[in-house]
Amino acid sequence: NAGVTQTPKFRVLKTGQSMTLLCAQDMNHEYMYWYRQDPGMGLRLIHYSVGEGTTAKGEVPDGYNVSRLKKQNFLLGLESAAPSQTSVYFCASSYSTRPQFFGPGTRLTVL
Amino acid sequence: QKEVEQDPGPLSVPEGAIVSLNCTYSNSAFQYFMWYRQYSRKGPELLMYTYSSGNKEDGRFTAQVDKSSKYISLFIRDSQPSDSATYLCARMNNNDMRFGAGTRLTVKP
Repeated sequence: NAGVTQTPKFRVLKTGQSMTLLCAQDMNHEYMYWYRQDPGMGLRLIHYSVGEGTTAKGEVPDGYNVSRLKKQNFLLGLESAAPSQTSVYFCASSYSTRPQFFGPGTRLTVL
Repeated sequence: QKEVEQDPGPLSVPEGAIVSLNCTYSNSAFQYFMWYRQYSRKGPELLMYTYSSGNKEDGRFTAQVDKSSKYISLFIRDSQPSDSATYLCARMNNNDMRFGAGTRLTVKP
């Protein structure tokens, strides 16, 4: 039982490049979330999904897109990376609206 | 003003001390309050959660919620060096989860 896993662990992009972050969970959770964590700002919700095929915007959605084609996977895409998107990205999942379990994070640097 | 305010510290205590970590929140709508522990370069780990006022105890940890003053606390008894981490408080209402910025705690042997 791996819980929540994230791929990749680290990535460096140049401004304007695109990439996709993958989150996978094996707990059969319906709800999945993407957060970013920046110094002094805490964790901020980017997008979330309440089930396969659904997505919704969180607190800071601009510049990101998401997809939930399979229940166990939640993808976060950056179409044209900007230096302001340099951050640590965390995925989380939960059973309904109960407290969430987090993955280990992806450290992204945009030059 | 952030919805959940948390003193960032850093907080440094000797081993065995009682630690008090505190947060205030502004939005009265909530389902749960949570405390997460985050070790350096790791993901947040759920420590405790509560959905009512009063105290909830789990081993050396006690979570306390005072809805009248919009204040939540985490107490750590007999603190250990392994408790050194950043502690995040969070408020959850349906899918809306808001975090404090975290308090960095160091417990010195």
